[in-house]
Amino acid sequence: KQEVTQIPAALSVPEGENLVLNCSFTDSAIYNLQWFRQDPGKGLTSLLLIQSSQREQTSGRLNASLDKSSGRSTLYIAASQPGDSATYLCAVPSNAGGTSYGKLTFGQGTILTVHP
Amino acid sequence: EAQVTQNPRYLITVTGKKLTVTCSQNMNHEYMSWYRQDPGLGLRQIYYSMNVEVTDKGDVPEGYKVSRKEKRNFPLILESPSPNQTSLYFCASTGRGTEGYTFGSGTRLTVV
Repeated sequence: KQEVTQIPAALSVPEGENLVLNCSFTDSAIYNLQWFRQDPGKGLTSLLLIQSSQREQTSGRLNASLDKSSGRSTLYIAASQPGDSATYLCAVPSNAGGTSYGKLTFGQGTILTVHP
Repeated sequence: EAQVTQNPRYLITVTGKKLTVTCSQNMNHEYMSWYRQDPGLGLRQIYYSMNVEVTDKGDVPEGYKVSRKEKRNFPLILESPSPNQTSLYFCASTGRGTEGYTFGSGTRLTVV
């Protein structure tokens, strides 16, 4: 059974810092990995999607890397801003009964607070 | 705009009164899922569907039903809601290939 772990559980940084969020997964036979952002009580916004054949993806100040063999992904946020404060979740599709994309397994998330 | 639409956004109901939360997507996606999110437990999958008339249980299916009569719709049915089903519910969809998942805005359900 796929398990996804995110470290740290919470992170508080001053504005302007570069930071790294970590995600690890136990089953390396993944099709892709997706990073989401969730504001309190709100929905999930997709940030980056990395296919299993890719090493990294970039969007603005965000860069996500993927190392399938070691079961790890990192989300790098450059020059953090107070507006980046949110919970960041990583998720991988699980292969259920030979069917792809049936299930998505989430980590517990990293709660990020960026102070002005 | 490509999106997953859930309704209602907020719902307060009483124990035992049947309810349905609707979910619709306009991206012609094959796969649709329901999740619930609870503090300390994270996001857990309730049911998923791989195509019309094909559904399967997720990790926490007890007390829920789903149907997939049309490709775009995937309603979540609570036949007899109980207070332990108070939660934030999300519907999601994805197609085949390289797309990731798109999530709805969520439904906050309170059962009293």
